[in-house]
Amino acid sequence: DTGVSQDPRHKITKRGQNVTFRCDPISEHNRLYWYRQTLGQGPEFLTYFQNEAQLEKSRLLSDRFSAERPKGSFSTLEIQRTEQGDSAMYLCASSSTATEETQYFGPGTRLLVL
Amino acid sequence: LAKTTQPISMDSYEGQEVNITCSHNNIATNDYITWYQQFPSQGPRFIIQGYKTKVTNEVASLFIPADRKSSTLSLPRVSLSDTAVYYCLVGEGYSTLTFGKGTMLLVAP
Repeated sequence: DTGVSQDPRHKITKRGQNVTFRCDPISEHNRLYWYRQTLGQGPEFLTYFQNEAQLEKSRLLSDRFSAERPKGSFSTLEIQRTEQGDSAMYLCASSSTATEETQYFGPGTRLLVL
Repeated sequence: LAKTTQPISMDSYEGQEVNITCSHNNIATNDYITWYQQFPSQGPRFIIQGYKTKVTNEVASLFIPADRKSSTLSLPRVSLSDTAVYYCLVGEGYSTLTFGKGTMLLVAP
């Protein structure tokens, strides 16, 4: 399978704990995006990378959130001191500036904060 | 980014053609129109993208009038498995995507 993969697919945690999600983009894609989706809403942009550089961050990305893409390949999204309002689906997408730049999404990580 | 307006929900029966129209009155010259499909508990799946006139692929057709202020996604002969949320997005190809609430399509037998 050469699509975008995300791990874990589900995560249940207690309020106040830290969680980390991983995204592996399509191998030749240099852009990687993170979105968050709550029930009944469309995905909301959080941040994106071109190679290892983080180029844009949404105001939704509070200081408890941090994303990295250290070698320009996989990316991690960490949420510190989780809150119940962080419960959502976290989606990763990737695209290539060399081709049509269409974003292809992974299956998402569903987070539940108790 | 141009704002989009699409119906909240639509119903259809198996075998029918479904047309979902999206309004984007403030579309910019460099903007493309992209449609995604999303099933519950899955990430959005790219369906089709176009700039003007008509685009067709193995899944759908996209009709864009000359003024580009609207677009219509056409799904031929829908099946039960086409029940999903369909999002219309407008923007430059490499920009971050702004999703609305989409159109919930329900296909009945």
